[in-house]
Formats: sequence, structure tokens, C-alpha cells
Amino acid sequence: QKEVEQDPGPLSVPEGAIVSLNCTYSNSAFQYFMWYRQYSRKGPELLMYTYSSGNKEDGRFTAQVDKSSKYISLFIRDSQPSDSATYLCAAASGSARQLTFGSGTQLTVLP
Amino acid sequence: NAGVTQTPKFQVLKTGQSMTLQCAQDMNHEYMSWYRQDPGMGLRLIHYSVGAGITDQGEVPNGYNVSRSTTEDFPLRLLSAAPSQTSVYFCATSSPGANVLTFGAGSRLTVL
Repeated sequence: QKEVEQDPGPLSVPEGAIVSLNCTYSNSAFQYFMWYRQYSRKGPELLMYTYSSGNKEDGRFTAQVDKSSKYISLFIRDSQPSDSATYLCAAASGSARQLTFGSGTQLTVLP
Repeated sequence: NAGVTQTPKFQVLKTGQSMTLQCAQDMNHEYMSWYRQDPGMGLRLIHYSVGAGITDQGEVPNGYNVSRSTTEDFPLRLLSAAPSQTSVYFCATSSPGANVLTFGAGSRLTVL
């Protein structure tokens, strides 16, 4: 079993929809949680960073971590075609720089 | 300020050949790392370095060799390429005290 599990999709939604992306993890030592966005043929770029449990909001994006259920979520409000990308969840324990990644969810937002 | 630069962008090798993937950064980041990305597997850590002269293994180090002689460069060497090493390779760096990684654009390697 992988330490971070993510539904690979693909996920296709109409423009303006609310998107929910989810991951689960098995390592109780994880305390840093991140979402990276990766456009086709590009490197991943950090989208959201959360330490421990709770919510974090940044514009149209909200990241949630529930450590009791080992669940990581990313919500995108008012989705745009420019949000079409692969979204990678990641977690880390002692150092947030040594990440364990999920396999990524490919999202397409249709105009 | 170029950030993280990876070369080459594309490479085709035959089984048994050796090559080096280059990673250079101009941000004075002390932490550098190499990941490989495969379909359905996500990104997996190969090797990392917390400073010049210091390297350590990640999750999938077999078949790869690294060294860190300068702060700026962190090359990844494939000693004898195998088809299982066909992948997209990413270099990622981080500054002191920061808990986030900055990734390069990737190097796409095919081993025949």
C-alpha cells in the first residue's frame, strides 16, 4: 500500500464548477501537507501548504487536512479552464522537503 | 535569475549506456533533490543533498549516483541505464528554513 493514495481520475468539470480533490494517507507521522499543480510537460509548482490539521484558504483554493481520518482535500471554487492540470497531493514528516507524493489527479475544466 | 535549470530536456539511451542529468540552481539553496515521475506512481525521491559534500538516499536510489561538489550543482548519474529507468526526472531545491520545494522543468529519459 502506498503511503499517500490519490484517485488518478481523470476528472472533467464545466467551467464555474466546484472541484473537490482528495487524498488519503497512512503514515501517522506526516504533519506537513501540500498540493502541487503540474501543467503538461512542466515541473510541479506549489499551490497550497498546510501544517498539521485545519483549513487554509487562498483565493479560489481551499486546502483541508483531517488528521483523525488521514484525509487531505483541495477545493477549487469557480473553476476556470486555466485550472486544467494534474494536481498532486504530498505529505512529509520530519522535514517538509522530503515529500511523499500521491499519483496525481488529472483535471480538465471545460469552457 | 533562472531558478532551477535541468539539462538535457530529452534523452534517448540504449540499455547499458551511462549518462548524467544536470541540475543547476542560482538561488543559493542548500537543499537539492532528485525525483522521478512515472505514470500511476507519482513522484518518488531518488537522492537528496542538504549541502555541498553531503548526499543521502531517498526511496528509489538503486542504479543512480549523485555528488555535490558545489552549492549550485547536483548531477544525477545513471551508471548502466536500464529500461526501468525510463521516466521523467525532476530536480527540486529548497532554501534554508523553508518547507517548500521549487522544481525544475524536468528531463525526459527513454532507455531502449
